[in-house]
Amino acid sequence: EVQLVESGGGLVQPGGSLRLSCAASGFTFSSYDMNWVRQAPGKEPEWVSYISSSGSNINYADSVKGRFTISRDDAKNSLYLHMNSLRVEDTAIYYCAKDKRYYLFDYWGQGTLVTVSS
Amino acid sequence: DIQMTQSPSTLSASVGDRVTITCRASQSVNSWLAWYQQKPGKAPKLLIYKVSTLESGVPSRFSGSGSGTEFTLTISSLQPDDFATYYCQQYNSYSYTFGQGTKLEIK
Repeated sequence: EVQLVESGGGLVQPGGSLRLSCAASGFTFSSYDMNWVRQAPGKEPEWVSYISSSGSNINYADSVKGRFTISRDDAKNSLYLHMNSLRVEDTAIYYCAKDKRYYLFDYWGQGTLVTVSS
Repeated sequence: DIQMTQSPSTLSASVGDRVTITCRASQSVNSWLAWYQQKPGKAPKLLIYKVSTLESGVPSRFSGSGSGTEFTLTISSLQPDDFATYYCQQYNSYSYTFGQGTKLEIK
């Protein structure tokens, strides 16, 4: 059974940093592209970042480009999102999502809440 | 970026009803259109991809159709478990946008 478990969310002040982690199991992690998708309260999901299975192709939404960094550690079956210069508008539940096909998400974690507030 | 617009935003229906949700794209997304179901406090669940292909395990009462810029999700006979929020998503091009959602409520 595919499982994705996010961690690392919390309350942070504007301008602060956080690192999110996603532990994957139940599939061959190294063979799949992965994504981060976020959802602000009461809003639709928003794709944030993508990393290919090899790690060589990476993509970001304009709203986070230059501030967020996606990475993966296949030895640990883990996906990461390093978030710097956080803004109030980054407040959301952040989901780790497995790629079925480019930017099509077939499995999602339970999410981790990031709150940016002073 | 491609904008996705769903209608209606809220839909009230009864168990056994046939319901249809529409999703319109601001430009063609070819056939790269998916539908997700989300229940409160849970992650979205993939129901349909490539306009009309059911994800494994999804009941056959769900179906999708359309092309280019206009798409529909139909539930042929609503079941109690179907009351949720539904989102369309285009994965044709950056920034892989979702519609604003349609909340399906019990009448």
